Amino acid sequence: EVRLVESGGGLIQPGGSLRLSCAASGFAVSSHYMSWVRQSPGKGLEWVSVVFDGGSRFYADSVKGRFIISRDSSKNTLHLQMDSLRPEDTAVYYCSRDLWLWGQGTLVTVSS
Amino acid sequence: DVVVTQSPLSLSVTLGQPASISCRSGQSLVSSTGDTYLTWLQQRPGQSPRRLIYKVSNRDSGVPDRFSGSGSDTDFTLRISRVEAEDVGVYYCIQQTHWPWTFGQGTRVDIK
Repeated sequence: EVRLVESGGGLIQPGGSLRLSCAASGFAVSSHYMSWVRQSPGKGLEWVSVVFDGGSRFYADSVKGRFIISRDSSKNTLHLQMDSLRPEDTAVYYCSRDLWLWGQGTLVTVSS
Repeated sequence: DVVVTQSPLSLSVTLGQPASISCRSGQSLVSSTGDTYLTWLQQRPGQSPRRLIYKVSNRDSGVPDRFSGSGSDTDFTLRISRVEAEDVGVYYCIQQTHWPWTFGQGTRVDIK
């Protein structure tokens, strides 16, 4: 069965850092394009970042220079390193394979 | 960034009746390869998103055939031929032709 499970969310102060993880099962993360998409409370979906099977990475302007997407093929896991966090980064963060398979999401709250 | 505009933002439909959601982009979504990367997602209440349609009109496996996608260039439509209770939720289009990828605002569908 193919599955994605996110972890790493939590409450963090503005300016802090957090690393999200997305454990994949049933397929190889290195063989698909893998994305992070977030959803602020009560709001719509916002694309955050993607890494392609070839390794190319792209970011939304709102997170460029602060977030880094990566994957660990040995652990079949996708990561999102989030630095210099801001209150507006508060959201449920979803990882997705091909925008077809989605995890359950992990909540990040940036607040003092 | 490519602005993607959905309409209407809210739709109340009688069970068994059709529904139609428009998605318009500020630029042509035809890529240099000739493909058009317009995707439709469904998000039921309390759930993660689910992909329904990719590249304008390709229905994902397991998606009921009452869902169909059409359109070209800058103008796209998601149609539900006969709305069922399980179709309640928010529908999003996302363009994946231009960087950064951008979502529409979402269209909320409920039952009249």
